[in-house]
Amino acid sequence: EAQVTQNPRYLITVTGKKLTVTCSQNMNHEYMSWYRQDPGLGLRQIYYSMNVEVTDKGDVPEGYKVSRKEKRNFPLILESPSPNQTSLYFCASSLGRPGTEAFFGQGTRLTVV
Amino acid sequence: AQSVAQPEDQVNVAEGNPLTVKCTYSVSGNPYLFWYVQYPNRGLQFLLKYITGDNLVKGSYGFEAEFNKSQTSFHLKKPSALVSDSALYFCAVRDRGYSTLTFGKGTMLLVSP
Repeated sequence: EAQVTQNPRYLITVTGKKLTVTCSQNMNHEYMSWYRQDPGLGLRQIYYSMNVEVTDKGDVPEGYKVSRKEKRNFPLILESPSPNQTSLYFCASSLGRPGTEAFFGQGTRLTVV
Repeated sequence: AQSVAQPEDQVNVAEGNPLTVKCTYSVSGNPYLFWYVQYPNRGLQFLLKYITGDNLVKGSYGFEAEFNKSQTSFHLKKPSALVSDSALYFCAVRDRGYSTLTFGKGTMLLVSP
């Protein structure tokens, strides 16, 4: 089954404790991205990657890091989480060609206390 | 720059009645336009897209959308709403010269029995 898998689904952590949210896709997609969803703000893109070792900032990259060492994986790293990073995070992948739709993971609900 | 506006936070409709969820966009070039749906505790699911050609696009679950270039709109429609259509709907745009997808803030659709 074609899917984007995120882990964990739920995470509560403390301010400053480094964490990683993993994302993996099994569709051989070139393009992967991370979004955060906040009430009243919709989805905002954090980072995206057009292929292995190629990443770029989205609209809200501050406080986040990503890496793309393999085509299937695109982890999101929070080096020093802060409460304003409490949000619902989604990973997505697509073929990358303009006009192709994105496939989304189930989401990771992160709470930073 | 590219942007999307969904002017209604919530749309209420009775089951069996037609529904419309509004979306307007702004791009510098020609757009790719998408609609996604999000059910509670789920990731976003692709509904339909406009790439080129026929202005009326048909998608999943009986939904359709009409691309109107002069009004820069891409409203989502369904002739007869179902209670199970109740969900959060997102419009998204990608300018053909851009690498990223921009989402609207979302519209909650509530269909009453």
